[in-house]
Amino acid sequence: KAGVTQTPRYLIKTRGQQVTLSCSPISGHRSVSWYQQTPGQGLQFLFEYFSETQRNKGNFPGRFSGRQFSNSRSEMNVSTLELGDSALYLCASGQGTSEQYFGPGTRLTVT
Amino acid sequence: AQSVTQLGSHVSVSEGALVLLRCNYSSSVPPYLFWYVQYPNQGLQLLLKYTTGATLVKGINGFEAEFKKSETSFHLTKPSAHMSDAAEYFCAVSEQAGTALIFGKGTTLSVSS
Repeated sequence: KAGVTQTPRYLIKTRGQQVTLSCSPISGHRSVSWYQQTPGQGLQFLFEYFSETQRNKGNFPGRFSGRQFSNSRSEMNVSTLELGDSALYLCASGQGTSEQYFGPGTRLTVT
Repeated sequence: AQSVTQLGSHVSVSEGALVLLRCNYSSSVPPYLFWYVQYPNQGLQLLLKYTTGATLVKGINGFEAEFKKSETSFHLTKPSAHMSDAAEYFCAVSEQAGTALIFGKGTTLSVSS
C-alpha cells in the first residue's frame, strides 16, 4: 500500500496570504489528523477528521481550518499567515483504531 | 489533561551500547502509548505502541518499551545501538483509540562509533 502523501512538500508564502495544504491518506483509512511541528512548541495537534466530519480540534485560532472529502483526502487552510505559522505540517491517517501513520510533511515558510 | 514528559532532550551513546529513552505520562484514563522516530526532513515513523494486554511491547528495529502503570512510565530501550538509530524520538499518548496524540518534546539520539 502506498503511504500517506502530502503536497506540496515545500512552500514559501508572505505574511497576510493564505495557504492550502493537501493530504492523501493510506487507502482504506477514514481518519485524517493534522499536526504542526515547530522547534519551540514541538508537535501540536490541529484537528482530526473522520468520514468528512471534524471529530476533534486542538487549541489553534480560527485562521486554521480543514476539511475532508468523500474519498478521505483532506486539506487544511491557513488564512492571514503570520511569521509564527512557519512550521512543518504533518498529516496522519488511521482506521479509527489506535495507531496513526504520518506523511512526510509540508514545510511552510512565511516571510 | 494528558501530558508527556521526555527526560533528556539529547542522549548520546556509543555504537553497541544500550539505548534508554525515558518517557513519563499523565492521563486520567488508561492510556494508549506510542513511540515514534523522526529522521531529518522526514515524517514520523511508528516504532511501537501499547494499547492493552502485555506490558512489554516489541517494535521495529529491535526497540521495545515497557508500560509501568505504577510509575506512569513507558521507557524505550534497545540492547545495542546502531549508527542508523541516530534520530529524534517522540513519545506520545492518547486517551482513545485513534484520537489526538499528545507528544513529548522529543529526545535526539546520537550514536558515535
